[in-house]
Amino acid sequence: EADIYQTPRYLVIGTGKKITLECSQTMGHDKMYWYQQDPGMELHLIHYSYGVNSTEKGDLSSESTVSRIRTEHFPLTLESARPSHTSQYLCASSERREAWGANEKLFFGSGTQLSVL
Amino acid sequence: QQQVKQSPQSLIVQKGGIPIINCAYENTAFDYFPWYQQFPGKGPALLIAIRPDVSEKKEGRFTISFNKSAKQFSLHIMDSQPGDSATYFCAALKGAGSYQLTFGKGTKLSVIP
Repeated sequence: EADIYQTPRYLVIGTGKKITLECSQTMGHDKMYWYQQDPGMELHLIHYSYGVNSTEKGDLSSESTVSRIRTEHFPLTLESARPSHTSQYLCASSERREAWGANEKLFFGSGTQLSVL
Repeated sequence: QQQVKQSPQSLIVQKGGIPIINCAYENTAFDYFPWYQQFPGKGPALLIAIRPDVSEKKEGRFTISFNKSAKQFSLHIMDSQPGDSATYFCAALKGAGSYQLTFGKGTKLSVIP
């Protein structure tokens, strides 16, 4: 069973509020990711990190920001939430893929369903 | 541009049937093709994966068939059960050094008793 935790599970907030979605993993994984998932749509990568002090933007442009000060913690922040940010946000982690023969297995949290009114 | 195309969007089968979910990709740099299973209210979980050097991989009731020349791969679920009802995502990963999975849009499978 994956040891990756996201809080809160559900969040309903008003427009303009600053929010932080928490994600923690206890597996010691170097790599962590944030995906955005809308109903009936694929998962879109919005941020990823190779390790401490490393963050990169993913394929999908996002107004959110992330930080990676500790290996186990990868929070996502929205400075001013808008209704267009309403979505499910999934955090994931994986071990470093060193060689072609290694497998890339993502462990996902249960997600945060964000609704911005 | 969607790099991994998945079909069908939804699928209903009776218990014991063999649902088949198909995916196609364009980028020949992809070299790892996993399938993820997602139950309502949960994050996706890795189900099975294949590399392009084999044409088929089987784990329990789940089988991936891979056609490198056609750039297609599919998931077969043998003797499907109501507990298999979930959303299934195919995905693809580029070669060593890349850490970004590209997902298909997902297939919602319902297995009715």
